[in-house]
Amino acid sequence: DQQVKQNSPSLSVQEGRISILNCDYTNSMFDYFLWYKKYPAEGPTFLISISSIKDKNEDGRFTVFLNKSAKHLSLHIVPSQPGDSAVYFCAASGGYAGGTSYGKLTFGQGTILTVHP
Amino acid sequence: DAGVIQSPRHEVTEMGQEVTLRCKPISGHNSLFWYRQTMMRGLELLIYFNNNVPIDDSGMPEDRFSAKMPNASFSTLKIQPSEPRDSAVYFCASSPGTGGRGEQYFGPGTRLTVT
Repeated sequence: DQQVKQNSPSLSVQEGRISILNCDYTNSMFDYFLWYKKYPAEGPTFLISISSIKDKNEDGRFTVFLNKSAKHLSLHIVPSQPGDSAVYFCAASGGYAGGTSYGKLTFGQGTILTVHP
Repeated sequence: DAGVIQSPRHEVTEMGQEVTLRCKPISGHNSLFWYRQTMMRGLELLIYFNNNVPIDDSGMPEDRFSAKMPNASFSTLKIQPSEPRDSAVYFCASSPGTGGRGEQYFGPGTRLTVT
């Protein structure tokens, strides 16, 4: 049972254009969502997050949108740069009734973003 | 700040051998997580600890896998006996708070190859 899904294994965009990475979830009790970026031979690094009480969070070139009714979130990168080429993971937290989750995260499968010069 | 430290970075072993992966979390972090990444299954949570106590080990695939956290600055993940299907990258991550909002800091990973 995959509770967080990234249906696009890969995405290719031109430098300067917008990159849009998508993520869907099934557990309606998730209340905090994060995006991580991963370069080869390194661990994932935190990029941006959003709480379920918001529908948008922006940090420089990165914006995350949350549509709770559709159980969908997306990460927009604009303008895209070649250095953004990496694997992007969507993750969700919460969803544990009756107690703290201690920050447990459920990750999607990841999307490989390639930004061409 | 050294970040999360994992050792070894690469491990090649033969089927049936015992493998021990090590992790030093960021000082002051209360939660520690072990993940496994494979092409087929992506990033899977194996087990996590809070204040050195295992909270959820439902992701541990089999009894061949065990994890310990004897103190706040050290954790091990052991596989005994190892099998070729255990080949993967194993990540350790730590997080600063109990019931926190989930931002985790990952180590560089250990690439395990079992032949």
